[in-house]
Amino acid sequence: GAVVSQHPSWVICKSGTSVKIECRSLDFQATTMFWYRQFPKQSLMLMATSNEGSKATYEQGVEKDKFLINHASLTLSTLTVTSAHPEDSSFYICSARGEQAVLVGQFFGPGTRLTVL
Amino acid sequence: GENVEQHPSTLSVQEGDSAVIKCTYSDSASNYFPWYKQELGKRPQLIIDIRSNVGEKKDQRIAVTLNKTAKHFSLHITETQPEDSAVYFCAASIGQAGTALIFGKGTTLSVSS
Repeated sequence: GAVVSQHPSWVICKSGTSVKIECRSLDFQATTMFWYRQFPKQSLMLMATSNEGSKATYEQGVEKDKFLINHASLTLSTLTVTSAHPEDSSFYICSARGEQAVLVGQFFGPGTRLTVL
Repeated sequence: GENVEQHPSTLSVQEGDSAVIKCTYSDSASNYFPWYKQELGKRPQLIIDIRSNVGEKKDQRIAVTLNKTAKHFSLHITETQPEDSAVYFCAASIGQAGTALIFGKGTTLSVSS
């Protein structure tokens, strides 16, 4: 139980294009999902909190117009990196928290490695 | 907001030795403290966690201690093995409903045989 998937696992795109990353909870409903970014040899940095049916809450310094988050259902959240630039190249990891979870850990997806040329 | 400090950034031990990683947090409202192990290019894997109503928790070779007064928690790995080599992250949760995790900067543990 508590499996989270991400798609794609890796993507290479040209500068200026947009990339969509999907995060799915496969066997549970996730009212809340989180998006993290991890640069090489660094820690996971929380980008935003995604709540089903409402607007995402972004961390300070994260541009909401550049990183569009949509949590349209209880099993799917998407992160769209708009007008991607080389500095956006990173490892993007989502995590999900189930409806029944109370003060328990998050379940992480396998991550998406984005490379912007 | 919450800030989590983690030390050391790198740790090298001989197989069979113990390893200790320490973290401090700033927000007294934090009430959940997990530890993750991450291998290169993979997702973080939860190895142990502790909640604020408990002072210590152990799972085989791994233990975590929490000092709420001092706002610090530690990971203890005994009888280390080469497969324990990885990056370890501590984290603290903030808020009540969201449980967003704030991570420490990580500790690269190397266990040599």
